[in-house]
Amino acid sequence: EAQVTQNPRYLITVTGKKLTVTCSQNMNHEYMSWYRQDPGLGLRQIYYSMNVEVTDKGDVPEGYKVSRKEKRNFPLILESPSPNQTSLYFCASSLSGTSEETQYFGPGTRLLVL
Amino acid sequence: QKEVEQNSGPLSVPEGAIASLNCTYSDRGSQSFFWYRQYSGKSPELIMFIYSNGDKEDGRFTAQLNKASQYVSLLIRDSQPSDSATYLCAVKDTGGFKTIFGAGTRLFVKA
Repeated sequence: EAQVTQNPRYLITVTGKKLTVTCSQNMNHEYMSWYRQDPGLGLRQIYYSMNVEVTDKGDVPEGYKVSRKEKRNFPLILESPSPNQTSLYFCASSLSGTSEETQYFGPGTRLLVL
Repeated sequence: QKEVEQNSGPLSVPEGAIASLNCTYSDRGSQSFFWYRQYSGKSPELIMFIYSNGDKEDGRFTAQLNKASQYVSLLIRDSQPSDSATYLCAVKDTGGFKTIFGAGTRLFVKA
């Protein structure tokens, strides 16, 4: 089954404790992206990757890191989480990221930073 | 700052009626426009996409695009209670790699 998976689905952590949210897709997509969703603000793009070793900032990259060492994986790293990073996070992928393509979303990771 | 604006709602329509959802965008160079449906606690799923001015129909859904007015809409005919969800308008920027989402419109279809 073609899908985007994220782990963990739910995470409670404390301020400053480094964490990684994994994202994996099995569709051989070149383009992957991370979003956060907050009430009243919709989805905001954090980082995206056009291909292996190629990443770029979205609209809200502060406090986040990403890496793309393999085509199928695009982990999101929070080096020192803060309470304002409490949010619902979605990973998405598409074939090549061009304007004509839609994105396929993972199930989401709900993060609470205390 | 590129923006996509939607009325947050909630928009409430009776079963069988037409629901009309609207979206405006600020980047005149935007090339592609998407409507996603998101049920509470779930991930967004694509309803429709549109690239050219005019109407595009798919079953009960019609997307309308007016690039001169920087306006895109989604019409849902014969609305069903199962259509109750948040509808997200998304716009890809000129380069195609960045996507800007609106905050979404909550739709309630009353049985």
